[in-house]
Amino acid sequence: NAGVTQTPKFQVLKTGQSMTLQCAQDMNHEYMSWYRQDPGMGLRLIHYSVGAGITDQGEVPNGYNVSRSTTEDFPLRLLSAAPSQTSVYFCASSYSRQTNTEAFFGQGTRLTVV
Amino acid sequence: AQSVTQLDSHVSVSEGTPVLLRCNYSSSYSPSLFWYVQHPNKGLQLLLKYTSAATLVKGINGFEAEFKKSETSFHLTKPSAHMSDAAEYFCVVSETGRRALTFGSGTRLQVQP
Repeated sequence: NAGVTQTPKFQVLKTGQSMTLQCAQDMNHEYMSWYRQDPGMGLRLIHYSVGAGITDQGEVPNGYNVSRSTTEDFPLRLLSAAPSQTSVYFCASSYSRQTNTEAFFGQGTRLTVV
Repeated sequence: AQSVTQLDSHVSVSEGTPVLLRCNYSSSYSPSLFWYVQHPNKGLQLLLKYTSAATLVKGINGFEAEFKKSETSFHLTKPSAHMSDAAEYFCVVSETGRRALTFGSGTRLQVQP
């Protein structure tokens, strides 16, 4: 059982480049989300999805796009990378829309924008 | 609005001594509360959660937390620290009906031999 799988684990981008962070889960979870982790700030929600075809913005959505064409996959797109997007990104999933259920996290993607 | 304050950014204990990681929360409604642990270069793992059942919650690896509504606290404790407990710990709050978790800023636990 793979759980939540994120790729790549590490990435270096130049300012202005675009890229997609991949996230896949094999638990048939309906709720998926993306967070960024910055020192001293915990995790902050970027975007989330409550099911295939449904996405919404979180706390810090600017500069990021998402889509959810299948239950399993929830990619995060950086449209034009900026140094302020240097961070560790985590994808999470849970079986219910109710946020009192356990969230399962991927291993993270460490992104550096130079 | 919901918010979480972890009162210590770093805690250092000796192996075999008790651990106390402090968390206060603010919530307009009946919250669900969680503690997650993050080992270096790893994802987050759930330690325990409170969802309005028993106020004393037992988690994995000997950790437990007590929900105190009057003090709006959800402190994490362990009677005896082990070297493998060295990690970062996050207190997390969620209100019923909201679609997002709110994370505290984290507490880094060091365990000295």
